[in-house]
Amino acid sequence: AQKVTQAQTEISVVEKEDVTLDCVYETRDTTYYLFWYKQPPSGELVFLIRRNSFDEQNEISGRYSWNFQKSTSSFNFTITASQVVDSAVYFCALTDRSSNTGKLIFGQGTTLQVKP
Amino acid sequence: EPEVTQTPSHQVTQMGQEVILRCVPISNHLYFYWYRQILGQKVEFLVSFYNNEISEKSEIFDDQFSVERPDGSNFTLKIRSTKLEDSAMYFCASSELVDTDTQYFGPGTRLTVL
Repeated sequence: AQKVTQAQTEISVVEKEDVTLDCVYETRDTTYYLFWYKQPPSGELVFLIRRNSFDEQNEISGRYSWNFQKSTSSFNFTITASQVVDSAVYFCALTDRSSNTGKLIFGQGTTLQVKP
Repeated sequence: EPEVTQTPSHQVTQMGQEVILRCVPISNHLYFYWYRQILGQKVEFLVSFYNNEISEKSEIFDDQFSVERPDGSNFTLKIRSTKLEDSAMYFCASSELVDTDTQYFGPGTRLTVL
């Protein structure tokens, strides 16, 4: 069965520290998509990135970077020089292609608190 | 930038009452979803909808739940007789293509059942 595990429940850092959020997934699909979403205190889900299983290149967007490693089934997310505005719950998600409906399977989320 | 909208932002209802949560997906999107998030927990899939019919539903989506696309823009989730355990944040999402594409989420409706 498809599964996403975010083992870190809560992380607390001081502003300007780098922080890595871990995501490990399980799937039998050979083609799949992974996502990260941010849920700030206001509650909405904000899309951050989509990565398909054929593309193992790391991606950088400003202070955000993602490390996709198929060999370890991990898709980790690093925030460089964290800021207070980065405080949020971050969810990693995986498409479940077994049903071909595109439903997302979410991890439990990691709550990141960035202190000034 | 196009976005998914949801109304109301917060709905308070009495147990046993019917509620309708409304969503307006992004206009050129063809696939629609409802997810639920009980406070402090992960986001869970409820139902997917394509071509005016349900394409998949989860175990949570029992006979008390229904979805509809009454016109070309709205997508609704109805809970026929609410229970205390239905209290949660309900998110609508849409995507242009199925599973190869990104799902964009609305801001959510917080449902409180008393």
